[in-house]
Amino acid sequence: GAGVSQTPSNKVTEKGKYVELRCDPISGHTALYWYRQSLGQGPEFLIYFQGTGAADDSGLPNDRFFAVRPEGSVSTLKIQRTERGDSAVYLCASSQYRSTDTQYFGPGTRLTVL
Amino acid sequence: DAKTTQPPSMDCAEGRAANLPCNHSTISGNEYVYWYRQIHSQGPQYIIHGLKNNETNEMASLIITEDRKSSTLILPHATLRDTAVYYCIALPFNQGGKLIFGQGTELSVKP
Repeated sequence: GAGVSQTPSNKVTEKGKYVELRCDPISGHTALYWYRQSLGQGPEFLIYFQGTGAADDSGLPNDRFFAVRPEGSVSTLKIQRTERGDSAVYLCASSQYRSTDTQYFGPGTRLTVL
Repeated sequence: DAKTTQPPSMDCAEGRAANLPCNHSTISGNEYVYWYRQIHSQGPQYIIHGLKNNETNEMASLIITEDRKSSTLILPHATLRDTAVYYCIALPFNQGGKLIFGQGTELSVKP
């Protein structure tokens, strides 16, 4: 079956602009995670959804970052007033339900802020 | 901060077993040991996990010491396609599944 997909695969934007990154999880998966990976580092947790609600957003770095999952499937990560330090690969993962269920990752969106 | 420590890099000859160590001396009783790997330019991929017993699946074996303070991931017959960064993660089974990645071990399988 289809895996986790993310669009766009690459996004180049200018400092101060607004961007949206989309994640399509595996059908039927209720849990969805966003991570961010800077060059040479391991992925860093941002936010976790269980269904439509954000169960844990402790990893969002500041209030410029926001994520939604209005119907409990597709999720959008929104970044306002982008900064050069936001440049990274943004990864999305989904899992069935329990916290110990395997997370399946998408290929990521590479965001470059000029 | 990650609760695990791993060597930054390792080499392995193609066809030989790759043994990747992980130290998790502060692991709690409610935390599983998970292993993921990340091939260049791809998202992480689940490999295996365990609580206190040794585990084996089609990809790898996981050996956890009796005191649970360390573990070893074994790829029995490494291939060039196993070249990747391998992450060892301690995951509580009742806190939402947030994965805390460390730096991982960069495994290079050489012909």
